[in-house]
Amino acid sequence: GENVEQHPSTLSVQEGDSAVIKCTYSDSASNYFPWYKQELGKRPQLIIDIRSNVGEKKDQRIAVTLNKTAKHFSLHITETQPEDSAVYFCAASTGGADGLTFGKGTHLIIQP
Amino acid sequence: DAGVIQSPRHEVTEMGQEVTLRCKPISGHNSLFWYRQTMMRGLELLIYFNNNVPIDDSGMPEDRFSAKMPNASFSTLKIQPSEPRDSAVYFCASSRQGSGGYTFGSGTRLTVV
Repeated sequence: GENVEQHPSTLSVQEGDSAVIKCTYSDSASNYFPWYKQELGKRPQLIIDIRSNVGEKKDQRIAVTLNKTAKHFSLHITETQPEDSAVYFCAASTGGADGLTFGKGTHLIIQP
Repeated sequence: DAGVIQSPRHEVTEMGQEVTLRCKPISGHNSLFWYRQTMMRGLELLIYFNNNVPIDDSGMPEDRFSAKMPNASFSTLKIQPSEPRDSAVYFCASSRQGSGGYTFGSGTRLTVV
């Protein structure tokens, strides 16, 4: 089955700087790659996703890039703010109705 | 839309007792997923249903775990008998088949003592 590796496990950046979280996947059939943000004690919430027919997608300060050949994708957050502090999960699936396989998560800490 | 609704929010039970977690997916969503979250193992897919039919239960850890979806608006995850290592947050999520994006419920925090 699919295996998703996520790095780093913890990332601390100064407020206003950029943050990058990276994930790799193993199943070349995977074609859907969402990112979830989970604040302490709350549910994971979808923040952005990308499908395999697209190399990059942006939504305000958040962007995701996908390299199908290398089987890796990344989350980029620019101009970080205190409210960006959370655990971020990447995930992959083959689409359709298959379950998502999640990475282990990255704890992003924004230092004031 | 009220989103995905899970109950109870918190459950504390003694080892050996039966535990039943409940989930109501978003109306119109035909895929439902049960996940377990722990610090050590992260988010693990336990089982998922399409159109009320279980598709893949390979993530269910043991025979003590069972899940049902008797209709499009209700699912249960049952643990019998419960053990301390079952302590975790259990999330239910739903989606419209093929759309990709999940919506998670608020989770049930289970503590088995």
